[in-house]
Amino acid sequence: EIVMTQSPATLSVSPGERATLSCRASQSLSSDLAWYQQKPGQAPGLLIYGATTRATGIPARFSGSGSGTEFTLTISSLQSEDFAVYYCQQYNNWPYTFGQGTKLEIK
Amino acid sequence: EVQLVESGGGLVKPGESLRLSCAASGFTFSSYSVNWVRQAPGKGLEWVSYISSSSNYIYYADSVKGRFTISRDNARNSLYLQMNSLRAEDTAVYYCARDRGNWGFGTEAFDIWGQGTMVTVSS
Repeated sequence: EIVMTQSPATLSVSPGERATLSCRASQSLSSDLAWYQQKPGQAPGLLIYGATTRATGIPARFSGSGSGTEFTLTISSLQSEDFAVYYCQQYNNWPYTFGQGTKLEIK
Repeated sequence: EVQLVESGGGLVKPGESLRLSCAASGFTFSSYSVNWVRQAPGKGLEWVSYISSSSNYIYYADSVKGRFTISRDNARNSLYLQMNSLRAEDTAVYYCARDRGNWGFGTEAFDIWGQGTMVTVSS
């Protein structure tokens, strides 16, 4: 099983600033990495797939980078609606696994 | 509108069974692989099971293997999860989630999620 490790667990950032979230895999994923956003009481929503490709309707302030075992989600200028929990997920092989999540909170 | 709607959750005792359903609409269900993902209260996401478009390929997380059975009925645009021998640690919101691409089989991100159905296992 591929273990996904996200850091930090909680990130405090002011609106308008940049946020950088990290995700590490225990073995190479190539680019089979997705990022999801989850707000309280809601289902997760796909942000990024293929490590770098934004899903339909996702604003350009969200960007993904990395390959292999190290990945990053960057939100260039935080809006109020961006404060949420973010999960990375590997879909290189079954069993699919998720990171434990990063909670992005308002500073 | 592309949509997945889960149902069938509830409160059951340890050792009992429950069957979840997921109704798909707004897309050609038979062309897509689908998954079950769960989230225990206050916890992260855990992938549970995968089924390919024609049911030829099925995978389970080790935590549910031998107790849960995934199935689908393409004629009814529906996905199911039969859960037997339920344990307290199975308590979670269960989501159905669609693979992003209509390849029929293969590894993919999840682009459409249902709203979830709550399963509580408690005596």
